[in-house]
Amino acid sequence: GAVVSQHPSRVICKSGTSVKIECRSLDFQATTMFWYRQFPKKSLMLMATSNEGSKATYEQGVEKDKFLINHASLTLSTLTVTSAHPEDSSFYICSATSFGGGSPYNEQFFGPGTRLTVL
Amino acid sequence: DAKTTQPPSMDCAEGRAANLPCNHSTISGNEYVYWYRQIHSQGPQYIIHGLKNNETNEMASLIITEDRKSSTLILPHATLRDTAVYYCIVRVAGGNQFYFGTGTSLTVIP
Repeated sequence: GAVVSQHPSRVICKSGTSVKIECRSLDFQATTMFWYRQFPKKSLMLMATSNEGSKATYEQGVEKDKFLINHASLTLSTLTVTSAHPEDSSFYICSATSFGGGSPYNEQFFGPGTRLTVL
Repeated sequence: DAKTTQPPSMDCAEGRAANLPCNHSTISGNEYVYWYRQIHSQGPQYIIHGLKNNETNEMASLIITEDRKSSTLILPHATLRDTAVYYCIVRVAGGNQFYFGTGTSLTVIP
């Protein structure tokens, strides 16, 4: 299957700072990438969908000015948590997929996740 | 996308088959059933998906009832490394978003 990486795997930051998380598709071109967050012992919650070269679509209740998403190329999407607060501490997971044109990658491939701790 | 219902937890003896059920009674004709699993503190891993026919791959088998309102994921010989949370998701073919339910926490017991 296709490989998706995330960087960093773990980050600790002070309250009020901004943190950028990268998501890369390593061996395929991802037309669409997704960002999820997961609290301990909870399921994944979809935050936003990003298509290469266009603005991200955010799920209801997710602040777009708080969670900035950029999908500048077919292999890279970034999530920036701005002015982070302790309640933003969570496990952030990205996934990537490639639709259309007979692509075999209609399922989503997930990255390993980034654990964010805001002090 | 249709909602899914799964039991919150299950145990299975090592070496035995693990049968994980999923109800998706409101599934539409063009929605596929996907199964993913998540081992602790990792990203979800794709297992299998199907539309209406039973499917098998190197990891598991997927049995979908004739009315498509439920399905069962079968891990034929469970190992300790299969301990994970298993998610059943339905999604339109070529559709975008996955909306995860609560999943089933499978514990394989030695």
